[in-house]
Amino acid sequence: GEDVEQSLFLSVREGDSSVINCTYTDSSSTYLYWYKQEPGAGLQLLTYIFSNMDMKQDQRLTVLLNKKDKHLSLRIADTQTGDSAIYFCAESIMDSSYKLIFGSGTRLLVRP
Amino acid sequence: ETGVTQTPRHLVMGMTNKKSLKCEQHLGHNAMYWYKQSAKKPLELMFVYNFKEQTENNSVPSRFSPECPNSSHLFLHLHTLQPEDSALYLCASSQDERARSYEQYFGPGTRLTVT
Repeated sequence: GEDVEQSLFLSVREGDSSVINCTYTDSSSTYLYWYKQEPGAGLQLLTYIFSNMDMKQDQRLTVLLNKKDKHLSLRIADTQTGDSAIYFCAESIMDSSYKLIFGSGTRLLVRP
Repeated sequence: ETGVTQTPRHLVMGMTNKKSLKCEQHLGHNAMYWYKQSAKKPLELMFVYNFKEQTENNSVPSRFSPECPNSSHLFLHLHTLQPEDSALYLCASSQDERARSYEQYFGPGTRLTVT
């Protein structure tokens, strides 16, 4: 079946690194995504990784993919108060319509 | 500016009302989506349109009726809703349904409250 799981909440101090974790079940995933949702706003695509990659780095963001364990993580270096938001992990399933399956989201709170 | 706009941003309606949500994308995309976001639940895909044709209806009750007159506009017509339908309704678009990277761009959502 298709299922994406994330922890609900993470609190870090400003300047520290944040690591948000995600597990998924469908081994036919082609792409895995991280979206950010700020209060009152829609989802913003932060980054994505193709399923044959192990790591992708984009400025302060590092995505790690362990395909064997079906585990995806997002590391935010030097976390800022503006990073406080809900972060959604999502996988695209290679079936007839390439639909996205989202996790429930992890609320990141950055303390000054 | 995300390129995907939604109106209204907030809507309060009674269970006997009829209302419509509107989504417009300015990105030249060909696929559009409706999602429902309820508290503490994963984002639920409701409908998918690709080149104006509906390609997915994720077992959505008939009190939600989508309409896609062209690739830039998507509507969600609402009638005789229930209080449990209160949620944030998000619209998204992508280049097309089978776009290889499947990047979806989201609007800000309509916060719907059914009284």
